[in-house]
Amino acid sequence: DTGVSQNPRHKITKRGQNVTFRCDPISEHNRLYWYRQTLGQGPEFLTYFQNEAQLEKSRLLSDRFSAERPKGSFSTLEIQRTEQGDSAMYLCASSSKWGSGSAEQFFGPGTRLTVL
Amino acid sequence: QKEVEQNSGPLSVPEGAIASLNCTYSDRGSQSFFWYRQYSGKSPELIMSIYSNGDKEDGRFTAQLNKASQYVSLLIRDSQPSDSATYLCAVKERRFGAGTRLTVKP
Repeated sequence: DTGVSQNPRHKITKRGQNVTFRCDPISEHNRLYWYRQTLGQGPEFLTYFQNEAQLEKSRLLSDRFSAERPKGSFSTLEIQRTEQGDSAMYLCASSSKWGSGSAEQFFGPGTRLTVL
Repeated sequence: QKEVEQNSGPLSVPEGAIASLNCTYSDRGSQSFFWYRQYSGKSPELIMSIYSNGDKEDGRFTAQLNKASQYVSLLIRDSQPSDSATYLCAVKERRFGAGTRLTVKP
């Protein structure tokens, strides 16, 4: 069990550029979550998948953000036309839960995005 | 009203004392509650989950849930300096509070 991995670990970009992050969940986990965290705040929910289906997307999430999880394995999070306010740590987590209800999540190390 | 509220702290306790961390939530229909610990510069890691009213103990940690009062707490007994971290309350696994920063002084 290698845990949840995220790439890249750090990303510096200029305002207006597009960026894409990748998350590889724990292999047997069917749920995958994306969060954004800024200093002094808890993780802010962005979206989550159960297998390849995107079940919920935060209403606060701009249309510039999109996520995919093809074939229910790894996931990508893309931010288009980045803004300085997008600078944050982007966390991915996975869990194993079938049916309704909640389950414990395991977090990856995160991708730190800096928008100049 | 925020979905999940925690006292931001910082909370400071001496080594060996009991640290009490509190969390309230707004969605009365919530059924699952989690406590995570986050060290500075690291990702959150799960400490405990609780689903039923009452207490749940795991080593030095006790989670308490009162759904009628929409309140969940975490007690850390015999606090150690290594417990110094930010403690995050999560409801329905994906709604997190802002966290309470705990410092345990030797």
